[in-house]
Amino acid sequence: GAGVSQSPSNKVTEKGKDVELRCDPISGHTALYWYRQSLGQGLEFLIYFQGNSAPDKSGLPSDRFSAERTGGSVSTLTIQRTQQEDSAVYLCASSRREDRGGGYTFGSGTRLTVV
Amino acid sequence: GESVGLHLPTLSVQEGDNSIINCAYSNSASDYFIWYKQESGKGPQFIIDIRSNMDKRQGQRVTVLLNKTVKHLSLQIAATQPGDSAVYFCAEIHNAGNMLTFGGGTRLMVKP
Repeated sequence: GAGVSQSPSNKVTEKGKDVELRCDPISGHTALYWYRQSLGQGLEFLIYFQGNSAPDKSGLPSDRFSAERTGGSVSTLTIQRTQQEDSAVYLCASSRREDRGGGYTFGSGTRLTVV
Repeated sequence: GESVGLHLPTLSVQEGDNSIINCAYSNSASDYFIWYKQESGKGPQFIIDIRSNMDKRQGQRVTVLLNKTVKHLSLQIAATQPGDSAVYFCAEIHNAGNMLTFGGGTRLMVKP
C-alpha cells in the first residue's frame, strides 16, 4: 500500500491477557520501528528492525514485550500478560536504509486499552 | 541521559499570526533534526528537517532554525491557520544510527 498500515486501530483487553499488534510497512522499506505513546506524552522508542540484522530491542520496557518481523516485511508486536500501564498508542514507522531526516513514515497507530 | 525536550507544552495563537515552537536538545552527536505534526487519532506527519551543518531551512509556510551553540531548535509557522492546530514534536537522529529520539510535544491551538 501507499502508507504504513497498522491493525487493529483500537484494542481493548483485560488485564493479564496477551495482545498482538500488527504493522505493514511501506513496500521496499527495510527499516521498521515501533514506538509507544502514552496519553499526552512523546514517543518512546521500543524496537528497531533493519533488514536481516539483529533487531535493536533496547527500548522494550520488560520481557513481556517482544516483536518479530517475518520475511523482512510485516511486523508483530506482542505484549504478554498485559498490565494497565501498557495502555497507550503503539505506533509503527518504516523507512529505507539510506533515509535520514524526513524519510520515516508513520502509521496511525493502535490504541491499546487494558481494563 | 541525553534527550530532546520542549519549552512550552501549549501554545495558543490567533489565526493569521505567526507561530514559533521551540525545542532544546542535549545530544551534540545528531546529524538530523526533524519536526513532526500529529493530529488527533493520527500518526506523526513529517513537516520539515534540517541537517546539523545548516542553521536554517525553509519550506512552505514553515521555517526551521537550528542553533548548535545553545542546542536549540525552533519551528516557525507563518500565517497560522486552523488546520495547523495539532501537537508538534521535534526529533533527532544520532549520526551513528537511524533511530528517532522524540521530544515531549507542544500543542498548538489556533483561535479563529
